[in-house]
Amino acid sequence: EVQLVESGGGLVQPGGSLRLSCAASGFTFSNYDMSWVRQAPGKGLEWVSSISPSGGSTYYPDSLRGRFTISRDNSKNTLYLQMNSLRAEDTAVYYCAKERGKNDYWGQGTLVTVSS
Amino acid sequence: DIVMTQSPDSLAVSLGERATINCKSSQSILYSFDNKNHLAWYQQKAGQPPKLLIYWTSTRESGVPDRFSGSGSGTDFTLTISSLQAEDVAVYYCQQCYTTPITFGQGTRLEIK
Repeated sequence: EVQLVESGGGLVQPGGSLRLSCAASGFTFSNYDMSWVRQAPGKGLEWVSSISPSGGSTYYPDSLRGRFTISRDNSKNTLYLQMNSLRAEDTAVYYCAKERGKNDYWGQGTLVTVSS
Repeated sequence: DIVMTQSPDSLAVSLGERATINCKSSQSILYSFDNKNHLAWYQQKAGQPPKLLIYWTSTRESGVPDRFSGSGSGTDFTLTISSLQAEDVAVYYCQQCYTTPITFGQGTRLEIK
């Protein structure tokens, strides 16, 4: 059974940093693109980042490039999202998802709240 | 960036009736390599993560009931629920995965009339 379990969310002050993790199991993690997608409270889905199976290619929307960094450790079957210079508008549930698009498996999400 | 626009924003349909949700992309999402429109549909129920329903415009994900179907070409796509069930109450999103940035429609809220 495929499982994606996010962790690392919480309350952070504006300007602060946070690193999210996503532990994957039930599939050959190193064979797949992985993604982060976020959802602000009461809002729609927003793609945050994706990474290739080897980690050699990463993808971001222009609005987040430079502040967010996606990475993976295939030896630990874990996906990461380093978030810096956080703003109130980054407040959202962050989902880990398998694949770059056509995301067939999602985690339950981890809530990030940016507030003073 | 490719803009995905869904209509309507919300929809109320009687049980057993047909529900239709539209999605329009601001440019073609047809990938010439495989001749497929890289358009997916997701269902998100309250308090849950999204669930993949359909990909490549019309291919149902494993386990998805056959009352869900997708169609379309060019820049216009449709999700149809042929006979609405109570458990179909949710927000539905389209997504283009043709190119990055991956983009989603704004969502369509489906309720029971």
